[in-house]
Amino acid sequence: DVKVTQSSRYLVKRTGEKVFLECVQDMDHENMFWYRQDPGLGLRLIYFSYDVKMKEKGDIPEGYSVSREKKERFSLILESASTNQTSMYLCASSSLLAGDRDEQFFGPGTRLTVL
Amino acid sequence: GQQLNQSPQSMFIQEGEDVSMNCTSSSIFNTWLWYKQDPGEGPVLLIALYKAGELTSNGRLTAQFGITRKDSFLNISASIPSDVGIYFCAGVVITQGGSEKLVFGKGTKLTVNP
Repeated sequence: DVKVTQSSRYLVKRTGEKVFLECVQDMDHENMFWYRQDPGLGLRLIYFSYDVKMKEKGDIPEGYSVSREKKERFSLILESASTNQTSMYLCASSSLLAGDRDEQFFGPGTRLTVL
Repeated sequence: GQQLNQSPQSMFIQEGEDVSMNCTSSSIFNTWLWYKQDPGEGPVLLIALYKAGELTSNGRLTAQFGITRKDSFLNISASIPSDVGIYFCAGVVITQGGSEKLVFGKGTKLTVNP
């Protein structure tokens, strides 16, 4: 069974803390994505990566950075967490194979609260 | 950037009723996707549409890719309690770097009363 796992389901941090959200996929997928989900706003893409050490900004990258040192792992970093980064964070992965490339597989999400 | 307008925002229906939701855009998409998110989980792909005019079914779900390539709808027939969740439409966008990414609608939250 294909799997995308996220390091925490719930996380509470303080303003100004550095926060790491980890995502691991076991499907040997080339592409990995980080989204945030807020009520009434749907899913918004923060960053994505199409290869190891490669990254591309999504629609709302401000305040975030990412790291992809290994193919299976994609980390989202909040350098200095702020209260407006309280949200549900979803990681996803997808394959580059023709016919498979559009389906993104999602992890269960990390609900981050910044106090 | 490209945006998808999804409606309705929420629906409250009785078990057994049919459901219809849709997405529209001012931009053309070559691929439309419909995802469902169960409470406490990540979204899961329901249906993918690749050709204008295409009508695709997956059990009680039917989705169509509009002829203009600017819209899509999803129908659920004879709803059951496990249909509860948030439904998202998504369109595939090619970035300036040549990568593919998804643009999501804001979601339709479905509640089914037994």
